[in-house]
Amino acid sequence: EAQVTQNPRYLITVTGKKLTVTCSQNMNHEYMSWYRQDPGLGLRQIYYSMNVEVTDKGDVPEGYKVSRKEKRNFPLILESPSPNQTSLYFCASSLRDRASPLHFGNGTRLTVT
Amino acid sequence: GEDVEQSLFLSVREGDSSVINCTYTDSSSTYLYWYKQEPGAGLQLLTYIFSNMDMKQDQRLTVLLNKKDKHLSLRIADTQTGDSAIYFCAESIGGKLIFGQGTELSVKP
Repeated sequence: EAQVTQNPRYLITVTGKKLTVTCSQNMNHEYMSWYRQDPGLGLRQIYYSMNVEVTDKGDVPEGYKVSRKEKRNFPLILESPSPNQTSLYFCASSLRDRASPLHFGNGTRLTVT
Repeated sequence: GEDVEQSLFLSVREGDSSVINCTYTDSSSTYLYWYKQEPGAGLQLLTYIFSNMDMKQDQRLTVLLNKKDKHLSLRIADTQTGDSAIYFCAESIGGKLIFGQGTELSVKP
């Protein structure tokens, strides 16, 4: 089944403790992206990647890192999480670029205390 | 600048039509999309319209685009309780997707 898989689904952590949210897609998509969803703000793009070893900042990249060593994986790294990063995170992928329809993962709900 | 606006809530009765509205500011949009988010799930592409079209119909869904007013709407005919979800419009500008805040549709039996 074609899908985007994120792990974990839920994560509670403390301020400053490094964490990684994994994302994997099995559709051979070139484009991958991370979004955060907050009430009243819709989805805001954190980082995106057009292909392996190519990553770029989105609208809200501060406090996040990503890597794209393989085509299928695009982990999101929070080196020193803070409470304002408490949010619902989505990974998405598409065939070519940001204009192609996006396929979304089921989300990771992160709470930073 | 790039901005997409939606009203936050809509409530309808089962069997009625729902109309979800969206306004955008950038006239250079190439595609406009409607996504649906059910509780606990990611966003699912419902339909999309190319910017040179005025209307697109797909079963119970009708998308209307008014480029002059930069207004996009999604009409759901014969709304069912299973249509309860958050609906996001998004515009594609130069390869970038800009999302609205989402409209929460509540369908009452």
